[in-house]
Amino acid sequence: AQKVTQAQTEISVVEKEDVTLDCVYETRDTTYYLFWYKQPPSGELVFLIRRNSFDEQNEISGRYSWNFQKSTSSFNFTITASQVVDSAVYFCALRATSGTYKYIFGTGTRLKVLA
Amino acid sequence: GAVVSQHPSWVICKSGTSVKIECRSLDFQATTMFWYRQFPKQSLMLMATSNEGSKATYEQGVEKDKFLINHASLTLSTLTVTSAHPEDSSFYICSARSGAITGELFFGEGSRLTVL
Repeated sequence: AQKVTQAQTEISVVEKEDVTLDCVYETRDTTYYLFWYKQPPSGELVFLIRRNSFDEQNEISGRYSWNFQKSTSSFNFTITASQVVDSAVYFCALRATSGTYKYIFGTGTRLKVLA
Repeated sequence: GAVVSQHPSWVICKSGTSVKIECRSLDFQATTMFWYRQFPKQSLMLMATSNEGSKATYEQGVEKDKFLINHASLTLSTLTVTSAHPEDSSFYICSARSGAITGELFFGEGSRLTVL
């Protein structure tokens, strides 16, 4: 069975603080993709990153960085120097590389960045 | 990036009426589209996988006669909520997969349905 767990339901930080959003996944597949999406108050989901299970290299994109560790089945997301515009719900998702291509979403973490 | 457009973005209807929501891929062909439902402050729940030219595949517990899905072309899928009731009020989101290798989903803007 596939499962994505985002244990943090809601996080509040003060602007300019760093914040890490946790994501733990379960899958029996040897090959899979992991994703992070952002859902601002407007509702539209915005794609942030895709990571192939064979690529454990960490990635940095501006203030965003991702730490993928297969040993702990985690794919954590860090926002450095958070801004009010980062306030949103963030979803981690898992997808197999074959079959129905279904995405399994975590329950999301609501991030509130206070000015 | 790939764009998926969803219409209408919000709709209010009376109980017992049917509502159609459209999902279009604007700059790519999508053989597969997905329909999700999201309750307030909850995650996305996959309702069905919409395949162009064939019947949709519904997830367990989703009534196919209640939520009719038609994927008549490579750029359009529609979700019709039939005989809507207040409990059908929700945020419905469609998505389309762009290509087979990269695999990321692109989402529509979502449609908020309120059934009175």
